[in-house]
Amino acid sequence: GNSVTQMEGPVTLSEEAFLTINCTYTATGYPSLFWYVQYPGEGLQLLLKATKADDKGSNKGFEATYRKETTSFHLEKGSVQVSDSAVYFCALLNDQTGANNLFFGTGTRLTVIP
Amino acid sequence: DAEITQSPRHKITETGRQVTLACHQTWNHNNMFWYRQDLGHGLRLIHYSYGVQDTNKGEVSDGYSVSRSNTEDLPLTLESAASSQTSVYFCASSPQLADTQYFGPGTRLTVL
Repeated sequence: GNSVTQMEGPVTLSEEAFLTINCTYTATGYPSLFWYVQYPGEGLQLLLKATKADDKGSNKGFEATYRKETTSFHLEKGSVQVSDSAVYFCALLNDQTGANNLFFGTGTRLTVIP
Repeated sequence: DAEITQSPRHKITETGRQVTLACHQTWNHNNMFWYRQDLGHGLRLIHYSYGVQDTNKGEVSDGYSVSRSNTEDLPLTLESAASSQTSVYFCASSPQLADTQYFGPGTRLTVL
């Protein structure tokens, strides 16, 4: 089946620190992979995505590379800001299984302190 | 600007009552989804629709129903609310299958 496992939180970092949030997945075939971000009191927003192996998604200084050999899609940012404080969700979409819905990880809460 | 809205944003109800949560999108997307968000589970799919008159059950559909009478709306109904349905509910839509989904702001539902 399809599933996503992501790093347990919460994660607390100082401003300008390096961020990594680990995400691994299980799926048949070649899913698309996503990172969504949820700011306090808001819905989910797409942060970045990758649709095939070795693709790198990037946005707002965040990056993630689709690694089929390790079934991973780790989220990284070189220098976090207080405004990056949010909950981050890794997700996959596997249209080959006939279900075009997203499978989500449990979310990782990031707090960045000044 | 096109958008996706949900109403109400907050709802408190009693066990056994019927509750309907509204979802409205102005993108003219064919695909619409309902998820619930619970601590320790991330988001889980309740129901989805690929077009008018099409509805499908998701992972956690028991106790919920949806109807799709037009492209813009996918209301979610809890037939007889239970305390286990206390959650935050998100609606989403996408233009194409296997495409990015766009989420509404969510509805926080409390069942007492």
